[in-house]
Amino acid sequence: ETGVTQTPRHLVMGMTNKKSLKCEQHLGHNAMYWYKQSAKKPLELMFVYNFKEQTENNSVPSRFSPECPNSSHLFLHLHTLQPEDSALYLCASSQDPAGYSYNEQFFGPGTRLTVL
Amino acid sequence: KQEVTQIPAALSVPEGENLVLNCSFTDSAIYNLQWFRQDPGKGLTSLLLIQSSQREQTSGRLNASLDKSSGRSTLYIAASQPGDSATYLCAVKWADSGGSNYKLTFGKGTLLTVNP
Repeated sequence: ETGVTQTPRHLVMGMTNKKSLKCEQHLGHNAMYWYKQSAKKPLELMFVYNFKEQTENNSVPSRFSPECPNSSHLFLHLHTLQPEDSALYLCASSQDPAGYSYNEQFFGPGTRLTVL
Repeated sequence: KQEVTQIPAALSVPEGENLVLNCSFTDSAIYNLQWFRQDPGKGLTSLLLIQSSQREQTSGRLNASLDKSSGRSTLYIAASQPGDSATYLCAVKWADSGGSNYKLTFGKGTLLTVNP
């Protein structure tokens, strides 16, 4: 266990549904991240939050909406997704803010999302 | 922009064999390089982290080397076991054009299967 938990672990949704992914870190870290892992592609960084403030959005479509209410919790709200959004969504956290040279990220187990 | 390539994409070996996984990166100005293990449907577990000033790191049966000038790293696994079966990911930390914001770029991974 890395100290980063994600729920649900599996999610199947239709294109018109609205759902949310949840990530919680029990490490007292200050930065949290959402990654997307699609088949046969490298991990893609989606969003970064430092001290609850979003500091990076890597051109992610607006149908993905992140929320960071405090430094321990991170959500990814999903609506009107497309089948190509099916992937493993990984959350990570780090003690030091993103962008620092010495920060080390700890990953959660991921949510396997299938969009029908 | 940094690109990370891992060869081969998949590897199958008999139990007990020593093996090498390869990682190459396009920009040698890296801060560190990290090897991760990912079990099916799971998150990433950090195996070894090599700072740019180091040549290798060892942990048990694992040895990672780094040759910054040639843009290459290898992960050597000795006496492989079926429990080593997983996807192995290489990630490089580097500074973007401003030199003050560090990013992490992943390869696509090598899927290793160790047959009993």
